Amino acid sequence: GENVEQHPSTLSVQEGDSAVIKCTYSDSASNYFPWYKQELGKGPQLIIDIRSNVGEKKDQRIAVTLNKTAKHFSLHITETQPEDSAVYFCAASGNTGFQKLVFGTGTRLLVSP
Amino acid sequence: SQTIHQWPATLVQPVGSPLSLECTVEGTSNPNLYWYRQAAGRGLQLLFYSVGIGQISSEVPQNLSASRPQDRQFILSSKKLLLSDSGFYLCAWSLIGPYEQYFGPGTRLTVT
Repeated sequence: GENVEQHPSTLSVQEGDSAVIKCTYSDSASNYFPWYKQELGKGPQLIIDIRSNVGEKKDQRIAVTLNKTAKHFSLHITETQPEDSAVYFCAASGNTGFQKLVFGTGTRLLVSP
Repeated sequence: SQTIHQWPATLVQPVGSPLSLECTVEGTSNPNLYWYRQAAGRGLQLLFYSVGIGQISSEVPQNLSASRPQDRQFILSSKKLLLSDSGFYLCAWSLIGPYEQYFGPGTRLTVT
């Protein structure tokens, strides 16, 4: 089955810096890659996703890149702000009628003012 | 727009007691529904999923069960809780097919 690895486990940056979180997946059949942001005590919130027919997707300060050959994808946050502090999860899913997401172990991002 | 509700928000139960967590979705029909568990500081583990009323699939053998009595209602149950059942339980929904999955606010369960 699918296995998703996520790095780093913690990331500390200064406000205004960029942050990059990386994930690798094992199943070459996976074709959907979402990223979630989870604030303390809350459910994960979908922030951006990418499908395998696209190499890059951007939404304001966040972007995701996908390298299918290497089987890795990354989340990029530019001009970080204190409210970006949270735990971020990547996930991967195959193309089946039922969408089963396999999650990475999470990255705790701390943005210091 | 679609909304997903979970209750209760927090729950403290003794070992050996029963459990019932409820999840409901508004604003959509025939969604896929999911139960996840998140241990402290860990990732999300899929427990059950459902593609329709009465259709439940289990991902991990455990002390828990799930039911879907109505199209937009998903219930997580246990007859006798174990200490290891403590965690943050999340319900999620998606449309059928490779579509986005959306999570509820979660239930924090502590088994004492």
